[in-house]
Amino acid sequence: EVQLVESGGGLVQPGGSLRLSCAVTGFTFNNYWMSWVRQAPGKGLEWVANIKEDGSEKYYVDSVKGRFTISRDNAKNSLHLQMNSLRAEDTGTYYCARDIVVVPGAYYFYGMDVWGQGTTVTVSS
Amino acid sequence: SYELTQPPSVSVSPGQTARITCSGDALAKQYAYWYQQKPGQAPVLVIYKDSERPSGIPERISGSSSGTTVTLTISGVQAEDEADYYCQSVGSSDTYVFGAGTKVTVL
Repeated sequence: EVQLVESGGGLVQPGGSLRLSCAVTGFTFNNYWMSWVRQAPGKGLEWVANIKEDGSEKYYVDSVKGRFTISRDNAKNSLHLQMNSLRAEDTGTYYCARDIVVVPGAYYFYGMDVWGQGTTVTVSS
Repeated sequence: SYELTQPPSVSVSPGQTARITCSGDALAKQYAYWYQQKPGQAPVLVIYKDSERPSGIPERISGSSSGTTVTLTISGVQAEDEADYYCQSVGSSDTYVFGAGTKVTVL
């Protein structure tokens, strides 16, 4: 069964740090880019970052550049999001999602077709 | 900045057709993707590449594109279709962008 399971959320003070993880099972992890998407309470979806299948390219939404770092461990089928200098506006549910699929010589985006259940981050004093 | 514009809400009676639009300049060159999200649940991809349906998505859900506007159509709306729907596309510098979402209410 294809499954993404996030962990690492919690309550943190403004300016603090948190590391989110996403454990992947059921598909060949290193054939896919992966994304993090967040959702503030009662608000819409916001794409946060994604990472190439080998970790060599990373992209971020402007609001988290310089504060968040996406990474992956293909040996452990895991995705991570290191969040530093957290702000109240970073509060929300963070989802990991499967992204671009890699086949020999080509990349295809069929949408973010598999999502985890989310982990909640609360930034508050 | 690159934006996708959706109506905040759409109301429809059971059995009728709901249409949700999403507009943005880059949609003329980039595909759109649609996600359905029910309260307390993770989003689910319902349309990719403007009009393709992933396996398991009912045929009453369809997508279309014209110029800078894409449309998600739900025909024969059922109570289970009540949800928030988000369009998504590729923005500048290989980043992704979502629309603000449309709440579909089944009357």
